[in-house]
Amino acid sequence: DTGVSQDPRHKITKRGQNVTFRCDPISEHNRLYWYRQTLGQGPEFLTYFQNEAQLEKSRLLSDRFSAERPKGSFSTLEIQRTEQGDSAMYLCASSPDRDYGYTFGSGTRLTVV
Amino acid sequence: RKEVEQDPGPFNVPEGATVAFNCTYSNSASQSFFWYRQDCRKEPKLLMSVYSSGNEDGRFTAQLNRASQYISLLIRDSKLSDSATYLCVVTRNSGNTPLVFGKGTRLSVIA
Repeated sequence: DTGVSQDPRHKITKRGQNVTFRCDPISEHNRLYWYRQTLGQGPEFLTYFQNEAQLEKSRLLSDRFSAERPKGSFSTLEIQRTEQGDSAMYLCASSPDRDYGYTFGSGTRLTVV
Repeated sequence: RKEVEQDPGPFNVPEGATVAFNCTYSNSASQSFFWYRQDCRKEPKLLMSVYSSGNEDGRFTAQLNRASQYISLLIRDSKLSDSATYLCVVTRNSGNTPLVFGKGTRLSVIA
């Protein structure tokens, strides 16, 4: 499979628990992005990496959120002390260059109960 | 003013109709423009890039007007399979900046 992979596809967690999502980008792509999407909204930017360097973080990314991309390959997004407002689809995307559109993974749907 | 604005719709059109979506963006420094398609509960998929000279891909035509900061997407001969949400997407400015997505315009093509 040469697409962007995300794991898990669905996650239900209790409020206050920590969750971690994984994204495996297309192997030749050095840029990796995390977005969040809620119903009726477009994807909202969270953070992005060029290789292993995290180049930008959105103000949406509170202190409870952290992302890593060790060795410039896969990436993880962790949410600590989850809140009901964190319920959303978390989308990962990758691209080879800044001028190209992104290829998205299927997303991880998080439900905080 | 929002960075990218789109009419949310829905646009309900019969098969075979021509439909046009518009989008405005606020940052005059934006350099790259795209239309994405998103099916219900699926990830967005790149439909086409938008170039200054306008570009066409089969039944789809995209136009960019930098002076008015306006992007359009025209779909001719609509098919049932065109039913989806169409997301207007721009870069925030030149350089290493992530894409900014509009909220999308929902299209339903009916038989």
